[in-house]
Amino acid sequence: GQQLNQSPQSMFIQEGEDVSMNCTSSSIFNTWLWYKQDPGEGPVLLIALYKAGELTSNGRLTAQFGITRKDSFLNISASIPSDVGIYFCAGANRDDKIIFGKGTRLHILP
Amino acid sequence: NAGVTQTPKFQVLKTGQSMTLQCAQDMNHEYMSWYRQDPGMGLRLIHYSVGAGITDQGEVPNGYNVSRSTTEDFPLRLLSAAPSQTSVYFCASSSGTGYSYEQYFGPGTRLTVT
Repeated sequence: GQQLNQSPQSMFIQEGEDVSMNCTSSSIFNTWLWYKQDPGEGPVLLIALYKAGELTSNGRLTAQFGITRKDSFLNISASIPSDVGIYFCAGANRDDKIIFGKGTRLHILP
Repeated sequence: NAGVTQTPKFQVLKTGQSMTLQCAQDMNHEYMSWYRQDPGMGLRLIHYSVGAGITDQGEVPNGYNVSRSTTEDFPLRLLSAAPSQTSVYFCASSSGTGYSYEQYFGPGTRLTVT
């Protein structure tokens, strides 16, 4: 079946650093989504991407829909303590199933 | 709006017991889905529904049943609980199909099967 490879699995960074993570697939997706999950909570949508090549920002977050439709990237600038959590990518196609990656766990060192 | 609500928040079952996890949304969303989350495995789709009366299987449907008699409710039934079903279960909804994949998640149900 379809799988999303999300990397890195975890990151340890200093407060104020920029963060980059990505998601790749062997399949093409029409939509890429990025979610964040705080401990004990459900995932919350950060950014949705609908066109190949699209670059979208949400505050300090920027995500891109890869030209090949097989990848997507998320960047966080000037990280702050509340950025800690698990970031999930998800891909979707017209058959209505949404496939999630395994997540990138972000840790911020004091 | 309450958004997506799930009950119970925590549940402990013995092997072989059955139970229903409740999910409701008040946003008039057509699309609803159930995921399970296990450490290191991300979110895996169990079942989903594109509207009342329509359901379909996801990636890991075995051992679970769903029905969708109303737009608001999408319960998940465990027929005979097994330890492998120990997990956190999330329900999600979105306004429709096509390009509308912006899902809203509930707070989750933490299930332990002993």
